[in-house]
Amino acid sequence: DAKTTQPPSMDCAEGRAANLPCNHSTISGNEYVYWYRQIHSQGPQYIIHGLKNNETNEMASLIITEDRKSSTLILPHATLRDTAVYYCIVTPNSGYSTLTFGKGTMLLVSP
Amino acid sequence: EAGVVQSPRYKIIEKKQPVAFWCNPISGHNTLYWYLQNLGQGPELLIRYENEEAVDDSQLPKDRFSAERLKGVDSTLKIQPAELGDSAVYLCASSLAPPRNEQFFGPGTRLTVL
Repeated sequence: DAKTTQPPSMDCAEGRAANLPCNHSTISGNEYVYWYRQIHSQGPQYIIHGLKNNETNEMASLIITEDRKSSTLILPHATLRDTAVYYCIVTPNSGYSTLTFGKGTMLLVSP
Repeated sequence: EAGVVQSPRYKIIEKKQPVAFWCNPISGHNTLYWYLQNLGQGPELLIRYENEEAVDDSQLPKDRFSAERLKGVDSTLKIQPAELGDSAVYLCASSLAPPRNEQFFGPGTRLTVL
C-alpha cells in the first residue's frame, strides 16, 4: 500500500474552511484516496473517497491533484464538532481493501 | 439504522487474566474487522472476516489472541492471558461487499491491564 504524509496538527477558526492536505506521491493507478476522521473516544468515521476526480458529499469535498500525488480534504464551514483526527488513506478498491491508518492530522476548531 | 455495537465499553483486568470483547456489526454487512489502537496511533488491523471465514489474520498474535464469528454475524475477540502491553482500544468495524468498501466502526472497548 502507498504511504501518506499528513501534518500532525492544524488549527481552524469556527465557520472558516478547513483545508487538510495529504501527500501520497507513491500512489498506484488502482489506488483510491480515502478520508476518515476520529472524534475523541469514538471509532473512526468514513468521510469521503475518490480516485482522480474531485468529489463532494454532505460532509466534505475532496480535491485530488491531476498527477494524483496529493489531495486536500475541505470542510467548507468548520464547526467545533469537526475537531478530530483526520486520516488520509490510499488503498486499492478492487476486492476487499485494507485500511492502513497513519497518525493523521489533529484538527482543532476554535471559537 | 443501528451502528456497530461493541461491549463492554471499558474493561480493567489484572495481567495474566483472560478478557473477551464482543461486536455486533451492522445488519447485512458480511465483512467484519477487528482493529487495535494504541494511544496516539491510528488503528491497526488484527483480523478480517468474510462471513464466518477469517480471511486475513496475519497481524493477530495467535499465541494469546483468538477470534471467532461462528454464525457470520456477531464476533468475539479474546485475549488469554492478557499482558500489560495489551492495554489499548479494540475497535470493531463492518462493511458491505465490494465495491462498497467504506468501513463503519463501533465505539471501541478500552482495555486497561494492571
